[in-house]
Amino acid sequence: DTEVTQTPKHLVMGMTNKKSLKCEQHMGHRAMYWYKQKAKKPPELMFVYSYEKLSINESVPSRFSPECPNSSLLNLHLHALQPEDSALYLCASSQDGVPTAGIGLYGYTFGSGTRLTVV
Amino acid sequence: LAKTTQPISMDSYEGQEVNITCSHNNIATNDYITWYQQFPSQGPRFIIQGYKTKVTNEVASLFIPADRKSSTLSLPRVSLSDTAVYYCLVGEGTTDSWGKLQFGAGTQVVVTP
Repeated sequence: DTEVTQTPKHLVMGMTNKKSLKCEQHMGHRAMYWYKQKAKKPPELMFVYSYEKLSINESVPSRFSPECPNSSLLNLHLHALQPEDSALYLCASSQDGVPTAGIGLYGYTFGSGTRLTVV
Repeated sequence: LAKTTQPISMDSYEGQEVNITCSHNNIATNDYITWYQQFPSQGPRFIIQGYKTKVTNEVASLFIPADRKSSTLSLPRVSLSDTAVYYCLVGEGTTDSWGKLQFGAGTQVVVTP
């Protein structure tokens, strides 16, 4: 299995709702990521998990709460979002460990994303 | 991570060769040049990576001059399915930059019949 699976594919939620995005991979990757992508913009890094521990939070508002229950699963819990949070949310994974020698930037596998609309 | 500059958009007809040049004047000695492709409503996917000279795979070729301050992604004989955004990234992927896959604006390639 060489895929990253994201569910749901589409989500519409109100500003008072609580919802969760799910990401799953079975490639044995030990690093997982959340990216946010607005229309016609590049993906922006939100969170990085390494060996199920949060290693990078790119100053993301607390209404976004990531969780990594195990090495194959990554969740993004959403609460009290704003309409401007509407975007494509992408999950990615990469090979285990933190490279000590440069290997470049080739080893990332992305899911197809969740299209989130906040109303 | 080195900053990259690439054209915002390029148009092409089916069957033509498309060349996208990426400028990365501040590339470091240990940096690689990596290209990702993104179709609408999908995540980016890796297409090619190189360090110097030329790299070719089943999808594309990557040309890197000796000074490594720029690189050119070449898509041979494009088809409609090559319509996508192409991102040029530069980095070494070590502990300093690992996890920091940061995308520039990308180049929107539109292929028409």
